[in-house]
Amino acid sequence: SQTIHQWPATLVQPVGSPLSLECTVEGTSNPNLYWYRQAAGRGLQLLFYSVGIGQISSEVPQNLSASRPQDRQFILSSKKLLLSDSGFYLCAWSSRQETQYFGPGTRLLVL
Amino acid sequence: QKEVEQDPGPLSVPEGAIVSLNCTYSNSAFQYFMWYRQYSRKGPELLMYTYSSGNKEDGRFTAQVDKSSKYISLFIRDSQPSDSATYLCAMRGNAGNMLTFGGGTRLMVKP
Repeated sequence: SQTIHQWPATLVQPVGSPLSLECTVEGTSNPNLYWYRQAAGRGLQLLFYSVGIGQISSEVPQNLSASRPQDRQFILSSKKLLLSDSGFYLCAWSSRQETQYFGPGTRLLVL
Repeated sequence: QKEVEQDPGPLSVPEGAIVSLNCTYSNSAFQYFMWYRQYSRKGPELLMYTYSSGNKEDGRFTAQVDKSSKYISLFIRDSQPSDSATYLCAMRGNAGNMLTFGGGTRLMVKP
């Protein structure tokens, strides 16, 4: 069966520091991968999605970037965090023409 | 106007009640409909996945789609305190895997 991992689970970072969140998927090949942000009490905002290694589409211009160095690895990064980057970051995967399955999430607090 | 509308709640019910959660949408191209359950500080978990109009039942959960009215529902029978969570509806068209989400309804089932 397929499993999706995210780490770290929780992160507290100062403003201006860099960020790297990692997502990996097991048990499937060539998945579509997604990064979402969920602000407190709000819905899901799609940030990036990828249909293959090195292929990244950005949905919202912002302080973040994404990379997919391996088939089942998706990384969310920032060079300098802003206060507004705080939130709950979710990684998801899907196979072709199927729905999305979410990871456990990373809670980021920027102080 | 948002593409998918969902009452944020909170919806508070006594244990054992029948719960009805709903979403309305405006895009007639949506063909696949999903319900996710999200516990506090966790990633969304897929509950129901349906195609086009009709009903789908899984244990205490029933998903209903009325495409003519652009209205979907999730019914929970014999609700339990463990059903207390935020419920997100999501939907997509025939092509691709991009989902459009509702903002989520927070449900509280009181013992």
